[in-house]
Amino acid sequence: DIVLTQSPGTLSLSPGERATLFCRASQSVTGSYLAWYQQKPGQAPRLLIYSASSRATGIPDRFSGSGSGTDFTLTISRLEPEDFAVYYCQKYGSSPLTFGGGTMVEIK
Amino acid sequence: QVQLVQSGAEVKKPGASVRVSCKASGYTFTGYYMHWVRQAPGQGLEWMGWINPNTGGTSYAQKFQGRVTMTRDTSITTAYMELSSLRSDDTAVYYCAPSWGGWDWLDPWGPGTLVTVSS
Repeated sequence: DIVLTQSPGTLSLSPGERATLFCRASQSVTGSYLAWYQQKPGQAPRLLIYSASSRATGIPDRFSGSGSGTDFTLTISRLEPEDFAVYYCQKYGSSPLTFGGGTMVEIK
Repeated sequence: QVQLVQSGAEVKKPGASVRVSCKASGYTFTGYYMHWVRQAPGQGLEWMGWINPNTGGTSYAQKFQGRVTMTRDTSITTAYMELSSLRSDDTAVYYCAPSWGGWDWLDPWGPGTLVTVSS
């Protein structure tokens, strides 16, 4: 199974700053089948990005994804107060679906 | 719009079984796979498996093989996840979420159902 490792575990930033989150796969992710989700406390995850770089419907353009192979990045260009949350990457395209351990973006 | 309504919180004793439901509306229920993902308190996301509501076919994560059963009732557009032989480490929030194909991204997610396993 492909293992996804997210880094850093926690990112402490201020509103307006740029956030860069990483997701590294133990093997190449075929077809860039990589998604990103945002989860706020007490809420279900929300899809942000699919196919490594395509924004889901209604997702602001300050969120962007990039990468291929084994290394993927989620960038939030300017953090808004509502962006402080936990972010997960997910590999799809084949069995099993797997998730990274998450990166918490907290207010500095 | 797509809406997923999950059943309420459950408290179960070790060794018991639990069944969680997920009622879907706002889309063609049989046109999308339904996945189940769980999240233990303070932990990450763990994929459990999916059901194809059109055919009833299933695919389960190896960890849950033999303990999980996913079913559906197309007449009421509802998917079910039953987990048996519950242990304390099954305490988690259980989410349902549809996908276009069996191996796709999940969107949207249901609100989750808390299952607590405690003696």
